[in-house]
Amino acid sequence: DTAVSQTPKYLVTQMGNDKSIKCEQNLGHDTMYWYKQDSKKFLKIMFSYNNKELIINETVPNRFSPKSPDKAHLNLHINSLELGDSAVYFCASSPSNGANPFFGPGTRLLVL
Amino acid sequence: QKEVEQNSGPLSVPEGAIASLNCTYSDRGSQSFFWYRQYSGKSPELIMSIYSNGDKEDGRFTAQLNKASQYVSLLIRDSQPSDSATYLCAVSSGSARQLTFGSGTQLTVLP
Repeated sequence: DTAVSQTPKYLVTQMGNDKSIKCEQNLGHDTMYWYKQDSKKFLKIMFSYNNKELIINETVPNRFSPKSPDKAHLNLHINSLELGDSAVYFCASSPSNGANPFFGPGTRLLVL
Repeated sequence: QKEVEQNSGPLSVPEGAIASLNCTYSDRGSQSFFWYRQYSGKSPELIMSIYSNGDKEDGRFTAQLNKASQYVSLLIRDSQPSDSATYLCAVSSGSARQLTFGSGTQLTVLP
């Protein structure tokens, strides 16, 4: 199936831990994104990569570090997790920068 | 700071009625406008895009754009219970064409 996939779908962890979320798209898109959706459904962009190059880096703590090994993958590593990091994290991709993104299924992160 | 504002709702309409969802944006240089639908527990999916002033129709959905008023709306005709979802307005602007989302309007269509 052509899609944007993310693993894991659910992530429950303790404060202070380090965790990673993986994302892969097989749509042949050049641009990939990470979005965060909080409990009030507000969807906010965190990072945007175009052909493995960082394009957008919104004001997020430097505990969050994206890694793009190739243009089909964009992983998100989070250090020293905090309670406020609990949210749904969506990976997305688009054919080019600024085109409407196609979203993955989301990773529901709960920090205890 | 670019802003996209929507009424959070909830908006309830009876089955078969027209649902009207509204969105305003602050950046006059915005170029592209999108409506996404998000069912509970699911990811957002694109339902409409509009780039120039006027109306754009696709089935039961009509998007309306008025750049002078910085206003974009979505009309859903003959609303169905399956239309019950949160509708997110998104606006693309800036040299990076960054997409900014509104907080969404929760729509409930009552059978």
